[in-house]
Amino acid sequence: SQQGEEDPQALSIQEGENATMNCSYKTSINNLQWYRQNSGRGLVHLILIRSNEREKHSGRLRVTLDTSKKSSSLLITASRAADTASYFCATDGRSAGKSTFGDGTTLTVKP
Amino acid sequence: KAGVTQTPRYLIKTRGQQVTLSCSPISGHRSVSWYQQTPGQGLQFLFEYFSETQRNKGNFPGRFSGRQFSNSRSEMNVSTLELGDSALYLCASSLGDGYQAFFGQGTRLTVV
Repeated sequence: SQQGEEDPQALSIQEGENATMNCSYKTSINNLQWYRQNSGRGLVHLILIRSNEREKHSGRLRVTLDTSKKSSSLLITASRAADTASYFCATDGRSAGKSTFGDGTTLTVKP
Repeated sequence: KAGVTQTPRYLIKTRGQQVTLSCSPISGHRSVSWYQQTPGQGLQFLFEYFSETQRNKGNFPGRFSGRQFSNSRSEMNVSTLELGDSALYLCASSLGDGYQAFFGQGTRLTVV
């Protein structure tokens, strides 16, 4: 099974509302990254948070990491229709190199 | 700075054929990873190369192979294609461990 699992699988909100997505993982990590994917296209990197960090901000995005619970959350504030996409978390294990992705949360922001 | 370039963008192949996909990483990036994305299995890690050496390999059959050249460009090859190999194949490059990975737009492979 996937290392990262996002929750919920799907989320539908109105423009202007906040969206929160959660990610849980199983083994210890070096860092955790969040990505956005618009329908059938490549992934766009949003934020990387290292295992010794607890919170990180980038514009309207806020990511938290709780290594004791092996979980992370992505908050998008004041959502826009353009935020409609699938969001994935990816973990890099303590061994080198590969990222393991969850199944993603599909976010729909209605205008 | 040019992004990660994958070619071709779209490909249609017949069962039993083989296919080669190409990935040009961002200049200076020595790590290239490949992923397969399907509706049923999500994003699955295929392999990762760093300085021409395969460092990690996912759980895929031997029909899936790859290589990396001295200029960091990478290719992946799938032999004896099966219908289930139809997927979006994504390539990502980075400076190395712990660095942000940048993805290409992917190659959409359809096996008929």
